[in-house]
Amino acid sequence: KAGVTQTPRYLIKTRGQQVTLSCSPISGHRSVSWYQQTPGQGLQFLFEYFSETQRNKGNFPGRFSGRQFSNSRSEMNVSTLELGDSALYLCASSLAGTKSETQYFGPGTRLLVL
Amino acid sequence: GENVEQHPSTLSVQEGDSAVIKCTYSDSASNYFPWYKQELGKGPQLIIDIRSNVGEKKDQRIAVTLNKTAKHFSLHITETQPEDSAVYFCAASYSGGYQKVTFGTGTKLQVIP
Repeated sequence: KAGVTQTPRYLIKTRGQQVTLSCSPISGHRSVSWYQQTPGQGLQFLFEYFSETQRNKGNFPGRFSGRQFSNSRSEMNVSTLELGDSALYLCASSLAGTKSETQYFGPGTRLLVL
Repeated sequence: GENVEQHPSTLSVQEGDSAVIKCTYSDSASNYFPWYKQELGKGPQLIIDIRSNVGEKKDQRIAVTLNKTAKHFSLHITETQPEDSAVYFCAASYSGGYQKVTFGTGTKLQVIP
């Protein structure tokens, strides 16, 4: 079974631009969660989607948004990029996204904002 | 919300020795505690997990213990090997709804050959 895939793997943007990251979950998984990983803050939860609905959201500004398609693929968008948005963005999938279910992570998209 | 503290932040051990990483959590309702290993350039990978109705779980050289009363859990790696070198994260599931896992800050383990 193929794992979680994320595209692109690397991205360089400038301040003020916007970016869209993509995540394809493991086949059959319907829950997709997004995390931001930085050296200073560690892994921080952004949001979780299930059946095209956002069920949970972390403490990030409205510039961070996401969506999920009917095939469970998910995208996250960051508008008006700031230098502090430079990070590794990870997505993780699970079957139904219940609280005690194993999450499987993708390799991440490394975003550099100049 | 849940808060997870993890210690130490870095750990160096000689090959063959044991390594122990400790975490504490704040939400007494948390009931699922996974451990992830993250190698350079890769996403975190689950290595072992424990649920609150179990005190200890073992998988070959890796074991995890849970003390619900004290709200802490630990990862034990025995007979360490160079390929164990990575960053390890503990996590606790937030009891307030659907999946919203809170991670510790990570431990960078270096196994010296």
